[in-house]
Amino acid sequence: DAKTTQPTSMDCAEGRAANLPCNHSTISGNEYVYWYRQIHSQGPQYIIHGLKNNETNEMASLIITEDRKSSTLILPHATLRDTAVYYCIVRVPPTGNQFYFGTGTSLTVIP
Amino acid sequence: DSGVTQTPKHLITATGQRVTLRCSPRSGDLSVYWYQQSLDQGLQFLIQYYNGEERAKGNILERFSAQQFPDLHSELNLSSLELGDSALYFCASSVGEYNEQFFGPGTRLTVL
Repeated sequence: DAKTTQPTSMDCAEGRAANLPCNHSTISGNEYVYWYRQIHSQGPQYIIHGLKNNETNEMASLIITEDRKSSTLILPHATLRDTAVYYCIVRVPPTGNQFYFGTGTSLTVIP
Repeated sequence: DSGVTQTPKHLITATGQRVTLRCSPRSGDLSVYWYQQSLDQGLQFLIQYYNGEERAKGNILERFSAQQFPDLHSELNLSSLELGDSALYFCASSVGEYNEQFFGPGTRLTVL
């Protein structure tokens, strides 16, 4: 099964860029990488997803390595409200859209 | 607000009982998913429905069942409840069968 590995926790100073890494060395060639975050016990919030190329939206940027074995989520100007658990997700084959969440990275933005 | 609604917000019940959790997907979404999040297990995928048909099954116990109705809302039925079933239950929806999922606010189930 395609799984992900993320650091357990990270700190980031408010206003600085937060770079969250993820390893997904067993990802299939046609599988997307998704990023979500969960604040406290709220429902996970979709951030961004990508296949091969780098992606950017109003929330974040996603950088995927050429071999697709790892990716980095970038929050360009972290705020206190970005403190959350961030999940890097790939689908679990072979059928359906089953997401494997793993343990995620607990990001703390420090004032 | 993701557009996914779940009811009830909180549910307290006793062991051995049966409960039903309800989910309304975002307008236009055909897929519905159920996840369980307990303190020691993290977010666990339970089941996916697409346009009324079961598409994928995860770590869903035999005491649990789900269905998606013609109006696309879904219900998760939990029976013979045990203390260990206490958890947050999230519903998510997506427009198609293989798209990004949008999560509801969850139902917190407490089994006493």
